[in-house]
Amino acid sequence: TQLLEQSPQFLSIQEGENLTVYCNSSSVFSSLQWYRQEPGEGPVLLVTVVTGGEVKKLKRLTFQFGDARKDSSLHITAAQTGDTGLYLCAGRRGSWGKFQFGAGTQVVVTP
Amino acid sequence: NAGVTQTPKFQVLKTGQSMTLQCAQDMNHNSMYWYRQDPGMGLRLIYYSASEGTTDKGEVPNGYNVSRLNKREFSLRLESAAPSQTSVYFCASTPSRPGQGYHQETQYFGPGTRLLVL
Repeated sequence: TQLLEQSPQFLSIQEGENLTVYCNSSSVFSSLQWYRQEPGEGPVLLVTVVTGGEVKKLKRLTFQFGDARKDSSLHITAAQTGDTGLYLCAGRRGSWGKFQFGAGTQVVVTP
Repeated sequence: NAGVTQTPKFQVLKTGQSMTLQCAQDMNHNSMYWYRQDPGMGLRLIYYSASEGTTDKGEVPNGYNVSRLNKREFSLRLESAAPSQTSVYFCASTPSRPGQGYHQETQYFGPGTRLLVL
């Protein structure tokens, strides 16, 4: 059973469209991270959010941490083919120790 | 500065064979992790080591053993491989340790080891 539920599992859109990926849990996390993974490689960190209600922007990517620190979302504006990849969220309770990953959302952006 | 390195990159085993997956990091990190990744399952933690000399079980430790050889190296051993252990294995590291944590720290991943057990 995944402690962190990601939705949707798969998303296919055309270049220029917007998309949102969700990461939900019934548990409270001290921090939540978003990673992007490309085929044949390890995940690479995009952002860490630690404060309830926090919004972080990374160029066309906007990340939000829920007020209760149980959920998060990733919004991509005007998607590009380079945004194609597996997006993973990971939560942690405390400032050290284990991370809990969601199952991931596979995003495919076509020209 | 190579970051996190893993060997081998790919391995085929027969059921019952044993092998050790090697992982090393050159960032002077305290914590190291072993994950497996299966389709539709994301990353599941097998074992982790919060500091040199300590190891703890993760979500799916059965069938695996680990050794934190020194601060740099963290190995994963399959004593008797089973087809259910066919997966992609990732090693990762972070700077934190018990008593000295960082909410904003980055988890650095190796390139992975693809294991097929027949």
